[in-house]
Amino acid sequence: NAGVMQNPRHLVRRRGQEARLRCSPMKGHSHVYWYRQLPEEGLKFMVYLQKENIIDESGMPKERFSAEFPKEGPSILRIQQVVRGDSAAYFCASSPGTTNTQYFGPGTRLTVL
Amino acid sequence: AQSVTQLDSQVPVFEEAPVELRCNYSSSVSVYLFWYVQYPNQGLQLLLKYLSGSTLVKGINGFEAEFNKSQTSFHLRKPSVHISDTAEYFCAVPSHSSASKIIFGSGTRLSIRP
Repeated sequence: NAGVMQNPRHLVRRRGQEARLRCSPMKGHSHVYWYRQLPEEGLKFMVYLQKENIIDESGMPKERFSAEFPKEGPSILRIQQVVRGDSAAYFCASSPGTTNTQYFGPGTRLTVL
Repeated sequence: AQSVTQLDSQVPVFEEAPVELRCNYSSSVSVYLFWYVQYPNQGLQLLLKYLSGSTLVKGINGFEAEFNKSQTSFHLRKPSVHISDTAEYFCAVPSHSSASKIIFGSGTRLSIRP
């Protein structure tokens, strides 16, 4: 049973470009969570999604960031017009239900030049 | 607001020595508590969790933690560490406002000296 998959593992973008981060949850998990880890800090919640629905986006920046979890395919975290401050590790987690333990992927490390 | 405090940002210890990583939480209601470990360049792995019952929780890799309600603490311990325990350790609680949201401490970097 494969764990949570994230790709790419490393992503380099220039300021102003778009970044797309993908997350495939564990088999049987329909709940996906995105977290951001800035250098030397802990993880901060960004958004919680179920299939085709955003349940809680209270941690998402108001602009440039969006997330989706379509009926088919991975969850996507999209960052438009990236800035240097977006450089961070972005982690995805999944769970079979709301109150279950969240299982984390290996993360995508975004570097904005 | 809920918070998790890890007072020690770095803890250096010698191999085979005991270690304690401190975690304090703020909450006026019953809590669940977690410890996660992040090995270099990897994602987070659940080390152990407290949901209810016995206040002493045993996890993977020989780690254990004790829930202390009066001191609002959930310190992580291991009696004898190995080089392979070198990692960052995060204490965490689920948010009361949204169980789907986990609130993480700032992390403690454990470095093991031979």
